[in-house]
Amino acid sequence: AQTVTQSQPEMSVQEAETVTLSCTYDTSESNYYLFWYKQPPSRQMILVIRQEAYKQQNATENRFSVNFQKAAKSFSLKISDSQLGDTAMYFCARGYGQNFVFGPGTRLSVLP
Amino acid sequence: NAGVTQTPKFQVLKTGQSMTLQCAQDMNHEYMSWYRQDPGMGLRLIHYSVGAGITDQGEVPNGYNVSRSTTEDFPLRLLSAAPSQTSVYFCASSAGLIRGAFFGQGTRLTVV
Repeated sequence: AQTVTQSQPEMSVQEAETVTLSCTYDTSESNYYLFWYKQPPSRQMILVIRQEAYKQQNATENRFSVNFQKAAKSFSLKISDSQLGDTAMYFCARGYGQNFVFGPGTRLSVLP
Repeated sequence: NAGVTQTPKFQVLKTGQSMTLQCAQDMNHEYMSWYRQDPGMGLRLIHYSVGAGITDQGEVPNGYNVSRSTTEDFPLRLLSAAPSQTSVYFCASSAGLIRGAFFGQGTRLTVV
């Protein structure tokens, strides 16, 4: 079975600090997509960032960036200048066909 | 632009009852899918569709039926509700994973 692992069930960070969420995955494919989704208390699933495996350059979206290590099958998310609105569940996901395999999630709390 | 609309947002069922969770999208996406979210397990794929008239099973299909008679709609049917089906259900649609997927607001279902 395809699996995605997030080893940190909960994390906290002070406002304006930087935090990194970890994710590892398994796959036998050479090209695939990786995603980070955010789920605030509203329950809405919001795409934060995506990475295509054949692109070596790490994706960046404003304060969010990834560290993609293809050989290690690692895909961590770095949030810089954390804001209170970043408080949410964060899910790492791998594309599988036209669907996703999700990790169990990391609950991030940004503290004032 | 409504995106992906799920109804209802909340539902309580008695064991053995049947019901249909509705999902509609107005983006003309080919791909639609249903996931369930349980604590500590992330989102798991129930059923998916790659176009009108075509459906397939995901990771956890037992106890659920789907059909796709139109591009816009992809209802999920619970045949005989069981307490193990207590969960939050998400519908998603996409035009291809490279563009990410759009999720509905979710349905919180409780089976008593």
